[in-house]
Amino acid sequence: DAEITQSPRHKITETGRQVTLACHQTWNHNNMFWYRQDLGHGLRLIHYSYGVQDTNKGEVSDGYSVSRSNTEDLPLTLESAASSQTSVYFCASSDSGRISYNEQFFGPGTRLTVL
Amino acid sequence: DQQVKQNSPSLSVQEGRISILNCDYTNSMFDYFLWYKKYPAEGPTFLISISSIKDKNEDGRFTVFLNKSAKHLSLHIVPSQPGDSAVYFCAASSGNTPLVFGKGTRLSVIA
Repeated sequence: DAEITQSPRHKITETGRQVTLACHQTWNHNNMFWYRQDLGHGLRLIHYSYGVQDTNKGEVSDGYSVSRSNTEDLPLTLESAASSQTSVYFCASSDSGRISYNEQFFGPGTRLTVL
Repeated sequence: DQQVKQNSPSLSVQEGRISILNCDYTNSMFDYFLWYKKYPAEGPTFLISISSIKDKNEDGRFTVFLNKSAKHLSLHIVPSQPGDSAVYFCAASSGNTPLVFGKGTRLSVIA
């Protein structure tokens, strides 16, 4: 069965360290997204990609970067982790097309703690 | 400025009764609206959607109503079941722009 996976599921790191969160999908979806979920803020978009070599900034992109070298993966990198980046991170993907674009499939999430 | 608002952080409903979750939006360019459901320690899952050309969409126990003039949509769950207890996110989009999510409403269905 096609799926979307995230790793690690839990991560504890220190302030200033570089951290990379992995996202892998086997649906062959063109569109991939990274969100963070925080209490009182809901889901906020960090970065997104509409295909290989395409990346775009979302609402809360400062301190984060992504790269898309193939269809299946969109890793999220925190260049220098800060305590404000402690959050739960969700990766999502969707197919192209006006309707299916919005019906995103989400991964199980990565809980990141920055000490 | 919040473009999608879910003003009720939580809602408790008795099993078998109707649950009504509300969502307001400010951007008149939004033309597609969705509800996602999220259980603890899992990612959100798509529940139901509605295009701006409709005012109602039904899928089993779930119905979404859209009032464009009021910029308001609601999700009705009838009858509510304990398994419906989750956080519900309203989301909206215009064209092929990324979804904008509300902050979510935690629904508790009490047996």
